[in-house]
Amino acid sequence: GAGVSQSPRYKVAKRGQDVALRCDPISGHVSLFWYQQALGQGPEFLTYFQNEAQLDKSGLPSDRFFAERPEGSVSTLKIQRTQQEDSAVYLCASSLMGTATGELFFGEGSRLTVL
Amino acid sequence: GENVEQHPSTLSVQEGDSAVIKCTYSDSASNYFPWYKQELGKGPQLIIDIRSNVGEKKDQRIAVTLNKTAKHFSLHITETQPEDSAVYFCAAWETGANNLFFGTGTRLTVIP
Repeated sequence: GAGVSQSPRYKVAKRGQDVALRCDPISGHVSLFWYQQALGQGPEFLTYFQNEAQLDKSGLPSDRFFAERPEGSVSTLKIQRTQQEDSAVYLCASSLMGTATGELFFGEGSRLTVL
Repeated sequence: GENVEQHPSTLSVQEGDSAVIKCTYSDSASNYFPWYKQELGKGPQLIIDIRSNVGEKKDQRIAVTLNKTAKHFSLHITETQPEDSAVYFCAAWETGANNLFFGTGTRLTVIP
């Protein structure tokens, strides 16, 4: 597609449920990033992939968060046993190259609400 | 790690006036400074960026300045229009890191 696509756009989960958020980056983009954006805050880094390799997962808040990009294109962010503090917008971004060589293109995000 | 501070948190201007948003960063190794515009319910969209080897960059009504010595950079929007109303984020890319560090955002309102 023309841009970064994320699904679902909205997800409501009961506390303790597992959720999976999908990101389709721009075709051919090497780098893929996941960010978490709490209400009224700036995006905060979660994890980074270069092709299928997860090069940095230092921003994942706990071992309940897991991300994968098995074929170097589509990525899934999984949150196990969701907690209320996980409620946020999860943004995916892709970049043609790695690191600071180019623009990050963001998707519209997946808004997760944990009840 | 990098720490980016952004001011003001809210800004209201009359249509046609200028708007200025300022950011500071902590890590002198940071070398790339983009500005993003985020409209309600949408993802951030890059509007302008600057790299550490230049001091100023302009694109029509939008300009960014960078002072490496003071470690601050600013966004300038001239002749503001109602469609400029949005939340603006500054960010800094730390050399050797793998991500952008974002400021906390400025909600700009342009009053017709």
